[in-house]
Amino acid sequence: EAGVTQSPTHLIKTRGQQATLRCSPISGHTSVYWYQQALGLGLQFLLWYDEGEERNRGNFPPRFSGRQFPNYSSELNVNALELEDSALYLCASSLGQSSSTDTQYFGPGTRLTVL
Amino acid sequence: SQQGEEDPQALSIQEGENATMNCSYKTSINNLQWYRQNSGRGLVHLILIRSNEREKHSGRLRVTLDTSKKSSSLLITASRAADTASYFCATDAGAGNMLTFGGGTRLMVKP
Repeated sequence: EAGVTQSPTHLIKTRGQQATLRCSPISGHTSVYWYQQALGLGLQFLLWYDEGEERNRGNFPPRFSGRQFPNYSSELNVNALELEDSALYLCASSLGQSSSTDTQYFGPGTRLTVL
Repeated sequence: SQQGEEDPQALSIQEGENATMNCSYKTSINNLQWYRQNSGRGLVHLILIRSNEREKHSGRLRVTLDTSKKSSSLLITASRAADTASYFCATDAGAGNMLTFGGGTRLMVKP
């Protein structure tokens, strides 16, 4: 069974540009999560989508947004890129909404570099 | 902000030795999970322990949870060079399925 996949593997942008990152969950999983792993800041929760709806959002500005498609894949969009947005962006998926029992399985990540 | 703190931040051992990593957290939780990360790549899920459980085993891994002390430990027995990685604990406090991660322990297992 295929795991969580993310694309692209690497992405290089300049300040002010927009970045789009993509994630495909494990087959049968309806929840998709996005996390940012920036140097010195650790892993931080960004967004949670389930059944096409945004269910929870971390402490990030509105220029971080995303969506979930009917096939449960997801996009993360980062507008007006800043240097400090350089990070590894990790996507995870889980079976459903019950976080007390559902493990989040992570993809390999997209490394975003903002110059 | 990080919910947990991990101790030690770095650990270097010889192959065959046991490695113990500790995690402390601040709020009540539904569960605590341990993940492994190799060289800045994706996270590999190791084990999930629920708040009403005290100990779980998976192969060479043993996880304990003490909710009264708000702490957990991960023991890797008979370590191998392939265990070299960063290990993170993550807590789920039931607030919107958000996992809150500790800062991680960098484990190096020397052959």
